[in-house]
Amino acid sequence: KQEVTQIPAALSVPEGENLVLNCSFTDSAIYNLQWFRQDPGKGLTSLLLIQSSQREQTSGRLNASLDKSSGRSTLYIAASQPGDSATYLCAVEGGSGGGADGLTFGKGTHLIIQP
Amino acid sequence: EAQVTQNPRYLITVTGKKLTVTCSQNMNHEYMSWYRQDPGLGLRQIYYSMNVEVTDKGDVPEGYKVSRKEKRNFPLILESPSPNQTSLYFCASSPSGGRGEQFFGPGTRLTVL
Repeated sequence: KQEVTQIPAALSVPEGENLVLNCSFTDSAIYNLQWFRQDPGKGLTSLLLIQSSQREQTSGRLNASLDKSSGRSTLYIAASQPGDSATYLCAVEGGSGGGADGLTFGKGTHLIIQP
Repeated sequence: EAQVTQNPRYLITVTGKKLTVTCSQNMNHEYMSWYRQDPGLGLRQIYYSMNVEVTDKGDVPEGYKVSRKEKRNFPLILESPSPNQTSLYFCASSPSGGRGEQFFGPGTRLTVL
C-alpha cells in the first residue's frame, strides 16, 4: 500500500530564510504529486501539482521537485515570510493500494515562520 | 468563482441521528471524492465518484453512503452516526477522472455526541 512520509513534522525558522520540506513515498508508480497548504481549521489550498513525467514546478517563491524513481519530492520556499506559517501537505495519486482511486496524504509539516 | 462548497461547515449531532453533508462544485468536474482528517492519522479517502451514477469505496467507507445523481453534487450521508465519526470532512473535485489537480472544499467539522 502506498505510504507517504513528510519530514520534518514541525519546523520553526526566522523570517527570510530559505527552507526545504521533504516528502517521500513508497511506490514510485504514481500519476502525480501535489503539495497543499492548510491553515488552522481551514481547507486545503493547492500549491503545486507535478505530473509523473515532470521534474519540477514553480510558483512564485515556491519550487517543488519530483524524483519519481527514488520516491522523493521537495518543496523549496524562498525568502520565507510569517504569512507562510501553515501546515504543508504532500499527496500522491497512484501507486499500490487497495484499489481505491484518490490521493494518499502525508501527515504534513507544521511550519512556523518567526517574525 | 470556481469553487467547491460544503454545507454545513459545523455540525454537532447525537448518535444515531441521520445526517447529510452536501458538496457542490461549479467547475464541471467529473471526479469528486470525500476525505476525513483526524489527528495523527492524516487525510483518508472515504468514497469517490468518477462520474454521475458511478461511485466506489475509498480506504474508510464503513458507516458512510454517497450518491451522485448530478455532476455538480456529491452528498455524504451518515445513516446512523457514531462518536468515532467525529472528524473534519473534506470534499474534493478534479477534472480528468482524478488524474489532475484536486480542489478541496472548506471542510465540515462534525461532532457526534
